[in-house]
Amino acid sequence: NAGVTQTPKFQVLKTGQSMTLQCAQDMNHNSMYWYRQDPGMGLRLIYYSASEGTTDKGEVPNGYNVSRLNKREFSLRLESAAPSQTSVYFCASSGAYGYTFGSGTRLTVV
Amino acid sequence: AQSVAQPEDQVNVAEGNPLTVKCTYSVSGNPYLFWYVQYPNRGLQFLLKYITGDNLVKGSYGFEAEFNKSQTSFHLKKPSALVSDSALYFCAVRGLYSTLTFGKGTMLLVSP
Repeated sequence: NAGVTQTPKFQVLKTGQSMTLQCAQDMNHNSMYWYRQDPGMGLRLIYYSASEGTTDKGEVPNGYNVSRLNKREFSLRLESAAPSQTSVYFCASSGAYGYTFGSGTRLTVV
Repeated sequence: AQSVAQPEDQVNVAEGNPLTVKCTYSVSGNPYLFWYVQYPNRGLQFLLKYITGDNLVKGSYGFEAEFNKSQTSFHLKKPSALVSDSALYFCAVRGLYSTLTFGKGTMLLVSP
């Protein structure tokens, strides 16, 4: 099925460890996004990529880096995980007909 | 910068009664507004959007939303609530480079 695929679905990290969250879309969308969801705070934009080869900071970029590898893939990297980064992470893409969200990655940093 | 406010953390309604989930927004220019629903441990599902045209927008699962420019509101409504409508609802407004700014969410609880 066409859509946005995120991996992994669940992850537990120790403080200071690094990891990369993967996201791929097969809808030929130009724009892709990473959000984090925390209780009572809604979804907040971490980084976005308006087109292949470009990335920009969103509302809460500190502690994260991103790579727009090609038109399909947009990865989010935590270089040194902190407990404050415990959250649910959503990748999304957008095109002419709207937005599509992935199913999320639940990350716990202990 | 754009912003969205959902003033109610939780809305309780009995099955069969009408429901309203409130949303107000702030944005420069014409607003593009969205409602999404999230069921437990799931991603976001699109319900409806307002781009232009009629102020009453109809969406999925019998939901509709009323756009009111003078009150900068985009309230979500349904004439008759179902227990299965219980979920977390998010209002969002589109900003620069098609980024979405979300409200904090409203939990809807429909009792039998």
